[in-house]
Amino acid sequence: AAGVIQSPRHLIKEKRETATLKCYPIPRHDTVYWYQQGPGQDPQFLISFYEKMQSDKGSIPDRFSAQQFSDYHSELNMSSLELGDSALYFCASSYGQGASGELFFGEGSRLTVL
Amino acid sequence: GQSLEQPSEVTAVEGAIVQINCTYQTSGFYGLSWYQQHDGGAPTFLSYNALDGLEETGRFSSFLSRSDSYGYLLLQELQMKDSASYFCAVRFSGAGSYQLTFGKGTKLSVIP
Repeated sequence: AAGVIQSPRHLIKEKRETATLKCYPIPRHDTVYWYQQGPGQDPQFLISFYEKMQSDKGSIPDRFSAQQFSDYHSELNMSSLELGDSALYFCASSYGQGASGELFFGEGSRLTVL
Repeated sequence: GQSLEQPSEVTAVEGAIVQINCTYQTSGFYGLSWYQQHDGGAPTFLSYNALDGLEETGRFSSFLSRSDSYGYLLLQELQMKDSASYFCAVRFSGAGSYQLTFGKGTKLSVIP
């Protein structure tokens, strides 16, 4: 079965650079979520989109932005990167805004900021 | 405010049963989910309780008591591969209701 696909899986950036993460949700899923997980931490909700519109916003820094495109894929854009942005970034998708409590997570993009 | 509490670490013997508790505080609540995450891996959905009672899925069961703001995940016949972090997570009603908020996670170590 198709899963959530994230790219790139790993990336290394310098401070103050920019990075873009991509997410391709499971086909026919209408909701995409972005989470940030630091080492030993729980996943922190950043932002979500339902039917290509932003549906909820969490602890996403102003330096970050995201959007969902007409083909339902989503991109997380991160600018002016800081050391503290080093983390695993997960994208998840669901159908019906996760009413079943089940989100399907991608394998994550590991960002290292030097 | 909204908060989730679960133990940080649990150790259990292979073949045994372990219960991971989760308590939450919120003024509105849709349901309680449980996720498993191996080191470096993605969170994987285990179960969801919207109503009070026990949900069973193979070796895993999950329980919810809305009146007590409490739930637990029960793992039976523990296997070494069950060593992982387990997160309870909730969808709160009202503003921000589309997000799933995770607890801090319980690191389960299964020993021979």
